[in-house]
Amino acid sequence: AQKVTQAQTEISVVEKEDVTLDCVYETRDTTYYLFWYKQPPSGELVFLIRRNSFDEQNEISGRYSWNFQKSTSSFNFTITASQVVDSAVYFCALSEADTGNQFYFGTGTSLTVIP
Amino acid sequence: AAGVIQSPRHLIKEKRETATLKCYPIPRHDTVYWYQQGPGQDPQFLISFYEKMQSDKGSIPDRFSAQQFSDYHSELNMSSLELGDSALYFCASSSRPEAFFGQGTRLTVV
Repeated sequence: AQKVTQAQTEISVVEKEDVTLDCVYETRDTTYYLFWYKQPPSGELVFLIRRNSFDEQNEISGRYSWNFQKSTSSFNFTITASQVVDSAVYFCALSEADTGNQFYFGTGTSLTVIP
Repeated sequence: AAGVIQSPRHLIKEKRETATLKCYPIPRHDTVYWYQQGPGQDPQFLISFYEKMQSDKGSIPDRFSAQQFSDYHSELNMSSLELGDSALYFCASSSRPEAFFGQGTRLTVV
């Protein structure tokens, strides 16, 4: 069973629009970590954020913000005023503290920002 | 800050040949992961090492092997290469819970 679900396969927005990428996860561990990575066309996986399961504070970093809700097992990512450089595939990932020997990735959301 | 270094960045091999991918983790990180990402796919876990010992194994073919050396660098050895092995191979370096990925090695098997 998929531990991390990113239901949106592809999203297209016009530049300056806001966009939210959804991530739903599944785990039985009480301590776990959630990540977002950006994969631009060049291929590297760029770390964006890590969130611990015991810290539900939402976070904002510039145009990026993350909404972590344990009640719905979701860790959504919003880009405000999108730019063409935001075009990439975005992966949500889960690492479980008790069995933290691998990262479980979602299938990714391909975001295209149209100028 | 030092990042995860993978070499080579690109590799072209013929079917049935052998390839070795190298990963140099961030200093003082105790865990290394290897992932394989096929075209249009999400990264798939292959294997991990904690303090130079294999800690978990994913969907790694028997033709592949990996190890972590005393200096903490890791190598992924791939033998009898098949066309389907063409993919982006990532190494990740972690000191729980932080984890950073290298830029990847793009392997093309022809």
